[in-house]
Amino acid sequence: GQQVMQIPQYQHVQEGEDFTTYCNSSTTLSNIQWYKQRPGGHPVFLIQLVKSGEVKKQKRLTFQFGEAKKNSSLHITATQTTDVGTYFCAGFNNAGNMLTFGGGTRLMVKP
Amino acid sequence: ETGVTQTPRHLVMGMTNKKSLKCEQHLGHNAMYWYKQSAKKPLELMFVYSLEERVENNSVPSRFSPECPNSSHLFLHLHTLQPEDSALYLCASSQGGQLYGYTFGSGTRLTVV
Repeated sequence: GQQVMQIPQYQHVQEGEDFTTYCNSSTTLSNIQWYKQRPGGHPVFLIQLVKSGEVKKQKRLTFQFGEAKKNSSLHITATQTTDVGTYFCAGFNNAGNMLTFGGGTRLMVKP
Repeated sequence: ETGVTQTPRHLVMGMTNKKSLKCEQHLGHNAMYWYKQSAKKPLELMFVYSLEERVENNSVPSRFSPECPNSSHLFLHLHTLQPEDSALYLCASSQGGQLYGYTFGSGTRLTVV
């Protein structure tokens, strides 16, 4: 079955440093979604990428979809303590009815 | 509030108990989902309901039984659970298809003793 993997599993950064999490799928994805889950909270939808090579920005967050549509990345510039949480990528199976999540990258920011 | 409401927020049950988790969405979405979140498997899809069609993950034990009486309500009936079933159970909804993100509820923290 489809597998979605994320690295790293954990990342500690000093406030102001940049952060990147990478997502890789075992199969080609029709699109990819990114979610953020704050400690003690629930996943919140951030963005969806659809086109090969697509790049989208949300303030300090930059999302990229690979040319082959099998990988994606999320880059945060100049992290802040409010960025703390777990970032998940997710992709649909071939039938398009099951959204499979990666294992997530837990970001911790030292003030 | 996210527009997806889950009750109860916390539940402690014995292995011989029967309980139900409830989810209600106020967003007009036509698909609803149950996910299990634990330390071992962060977000594991359990069940999908879309336009009253049920898509099931084959690895879900029969001690978990979903029910979707209409497009706004989703239940997860629990019976004879095991301690390893202790986890955060998250409900989500969406417009259906692949073009929309999922809206998650706050979850039910389940502890099986």
